[in-house]
Amino acid sequence: GQQLNQSPQSMFIQEGEDVSMNCTSSSIFNTWLWYKQDPGEGPVLLIALYKAGELTSNGRLTAQFGITRKDSFLNISASIPSDVGIYFCAGPPGNAGNNRKLIWGLGTSLAVNP
Amino acid sequence: SAVISQKPSRDICQRGTSLTIQCQVDSQVTMMFWYRQQPGQSLTLIATANQGSEATYESGFVIDKFPISRPNLTFSTLTVSNMSPEDSSIYLCSVAVSLEKLFFGSGTQLSVL
Repeated sequence: GQQLNQSPQSMFIQEGEDVSMNCTSSSIFNTWLWYKQDPGEGPVLLIALYKAGELTSNGRLTAQFGITRKDSFLNISASIPSDVGIYFCAGPPGNAGNNRKLIWGLGTSLAVNP
Repeated sequence: SAVISQKPSRDICQRGTSLTIQCQVDSQVTMMFWYRQQPGQSLTLIATANQGSEATYESGFVIDKFPISRPNLTFSTLTVSNMSPEDSSIYLCSVAVSLEKLFFGSGTQLSVL
């Protein structure tokens, strides 16, 4: 079945640094979603991407839908301590757009040193 | 968006017992789901909770182990039955308020001794 590979698995950075993480798939996705999970909480949607090449920002976060439709990346600029958490990419499989069975990456765990 | 209240937030249970997790949404939603997140892992869909009919379970999950109720469009429960240590996980309720966009409760951290 379809899988999403996220890298890096974990990151430990200094406050103020920029962060980049990516998500790749062996097959095409029509939608890419980026979620953040704070410790002890459920995931929260950060950015949704719907078109190949699309670049979308949400504050200090910027995500892009890869042109091949098999990858996406998320950048965080000028990191702050509250950026700590696990970042997941996700997407509905194939062309069905059925969010009932979102495929999830394994997550990138981010730690920020103040 | 939707505000989702999930309880309990955490529990420690004995092997062989059952725990029922409640999920309350502040608005009527058609699609409500239950996920499991094992330690250090990603999210796995357990089932879709259908209002007025039996839940739709994903491969590897069965109704006898994870019975689900959905009495109306704002409420659902998930029961983890006859628990074993392997059931120790975070259980998450989620709803879809638009295509592809899921909103999650804060989760139930379950530890089985």
